[in-house]
Amino acid sequence: EAQVTQNPRYLITVTGKKLTVTCSQNMNHEYMSWYRQDPGLGLRQIYYSMNVEVTDKGDVPEGYKVSRKEKRNFPLILESPSPNQTSLYFCASSLSEADLNTGELFFGEGSRLTVL
Amino acid sequence: AQSVTQLGSHVSVSEGALVLLRCNYSSSVPPYLFWYVQYPNQGLQLLLKYTSAATLVKGINGFEAEFKKSETSFHLTKPSAHMSDAAEYFCAVSESGGSYIPTFGRGTSLIVHP
Repeated sequence: EAQVTQNPRYLITVTGKKLTVTCSQNMNHEYMSWYRQDPGLGLRQIYYSMNVEVTDKGDVPEGYKVSRKEKRNFPLILESPSPNQTSLYFCASSLSEADLNTGELFFGEGSRLTVL
Repeated sequence: AQSVTQLGSHVSVSEGALVLLRCNYSSSVPPYLFWYVQYPNQGLQLLLKYTSAATLVKGINGFEAEFKKSETSFHLTKPSAHMSDAAEYFCAVSESGGSYIPTFGRGTSLIVHP
């Protein structure tokens, strides 16, 4: 089954404790992206990747890191989480950048992160 | 630069009533427009899209949207609401010939009363 898989789905952590949210897709997609969803603010893009070893900042990259060493994986790293990073995070992928215009953006089920 | 405005963070309707979710966009070039739906505890999924073909676009679950260039709008409608339509709906825009990365609106929560 074609899917985008995120782990963990739920996580409660404390300020400053490094964590990684993994994202994996099995569709051989070139484009991958991370979003955070907050009430009243909708979806905001954190980082995106057009292909392996190519990453770029989105609208709200501060406090996050990403890497794209393999095509299928795009982990989101919070080196020193803070309470303002409490949010619902989504990973998404598309076959290529050009395919974004066809609306073929596939989302994972989300990872709810709470930072105390 | 592209942007999307969704009017109303919450819309409440009775089961069987018309659903109307509003979306206005701003784009310096012809846009591509999308509606996504997010059911509780799930990721977003594509509902329908406008990519410069027919201006009236039909999507899944009986939803449709009409692209009106003169009004810069792409409102989502459904003639008769079902309880199962209760969800968060996001409008998104990307620009043909520019960055393909879509910009999302803030979302509208659809509440359906029995």
